[in-house]
Amino acid sequence: DAKTTQPPSMDCAEGRAANLPCNHSTISGNEYVYWYRQIHSQGPQYIIHGLKNNETNEMASLIITEDRKSSTLILPHATLRDTAVYYCIVRPLFGNEKLTFGTGTRLTIIP
Amino acid sequence: NAGVMQNPRHLVRRRGQEARLRCSPMKGHSHVYWYRQLPEEGLKFMVYLQKENIIDESGMPKERFSAEFPKEGPSILRIQQVVRGDSAAYFCASSPGQAENIQYFGAGTRLSVL
Repeated sequence: DAKTTQPPSMDCAEGRAANLPCNHSTISGNEYVYWYRQIHSQGPQYIIHGLKNNETNEMASLIITEDRKSSTLILPHATLRDTAVYYCIVRPLFGNEKLTFGTGTRLTIIP
Repeated sequence: NAGVMQNPRHLVRRRGQEARLRCSPMKGHSHVYWYRQLPEEGLKFMVYLQKENIIDESGMPKERFSAEFPKEGPSILRIQQVVRGDSAAYFCASSPGQAENIQYFGAGTRLSVL
């Protein structure tokens, strides 16, 4: 079972920042937060991961609360191509465990 | 640097036939994972393999499904005597198995059973 909780759907205006929340109140000390997205009918795409510090890459930023019980994925300037289902997953980094996908958040970017 | 390659992209089989799905991991990756996505459902883990070894098959149906990752060549997910309920998208992911072990996914194989 997924250890995360996400809103089922969200809308965001094109060009604005999309902020996708995720609750993971039972996260363990050795577990990282991963974000993937699945654009319609495509394979899941890795976005970003983090442990406790905020992270940023060319795709997005990840903000993790100090108690690590929740996090927010930020797409700074959403485009129509960002319309997808976004999955928040917790998993140990240095291990080879499977990814457990929940139901994710269906993000729709509005023109 | 090619990504995870899956073929075929689309596969049509009649009930009772066999389906073979292939996955070539990214260069340098020695770990392969298979996931299944039934229509309108989420992704579910099936099996995790390293070269010549099955590490975790806790998500594999007990009958008709098998997987291998030989020393040479792609990983194969084999479904014998397919039924309509096997119709789904099957995704393969690979990872390096060391350091920051990110899984990268292929485009998937869409199996349709008539």
